[in-house]
Amino acid sequence: DGGITQSPKYLFRKEGQNVTLSCEQNLNHDAMYWYRQDPGQGLRLIYYSQIVNDFQKGDIAEGYSVSREKKESFPLTVTSAQKNPTAFYLCASSINLGTDTEAFFGQGTRLTVV
Amino acid sequence: AQSVSQHNHHVILSEAASLELGCNYSYGGTVNLFWYVQYPGQHLQLLLKYFSGDPLVKGIKGFEAEFIKSKFSFNLRKPSVQWSDTAEYFCAVNADQRSSASKIIFGSGTRLSIRP
Repeated sequence: DGGITQSPKYLFRKEGQNVTLSCEQNLNHDAMYWYRQDPGQGLRLIYYSQIVNDFQKGDIAEGYSVSREKKESFPLTVTSAQKNPTAFYLCASSINLGTDTEAFFGQGTRLTVV
Repeated sequence: AQSVSQHNHHVILSEAASLELGCNYSYGGTVNLFWYVQYPGQHLQLLLKYFSGDPLVKGIKGFEAEFIKSKFSFNLRKPSVQWSDTAEYFCAVNADQRSSASKIIFGSGTRLSIRP
């Protein structure tokens, strides 16, 4: 089955620890995105990438980092600098970053920092 | 910067009622518009999209949306809702940004609850 896989589904971490969320796609899409979803705030863009070894900050990149070493993988690291990391994180991909492409989403990872 | 506004945060309807969810965007150039739906416990999926052509677009499950350029709006409609339409609905825009790569921006979402 083609799609986007995010793992794990639930993640718990202690405050002050960095944590990396996995996102893999087998759709052969060039573009990938990370969003954060909070109640009442919709989806806010953290980082996006249009091609391997390239990525750009979204609207709320502070406290996060990404890498894009392979086309199919776009891991997100939530660092200890992120002030409010507990949230639902969604990864998405699209064929490219053109305006006439739709995004396909993974199932999400719910991160809880205690 | 582009932005998307969804003014209805929570809408409660009875089955068979008509639905209209508002979506306004702020960007003066060429835009492509989307409505996504997130059913309870499921991932986000595309409901419909507008790229060009007929401003009235039809999507899955009887939904439609109308692009009104002069009002910067892309409201979602359904003539008769069902209990299974209970979900969260997100409007999104992808604008032609000549100075940088385009990106998909989402509204804050509207939670739709249908009473059986």
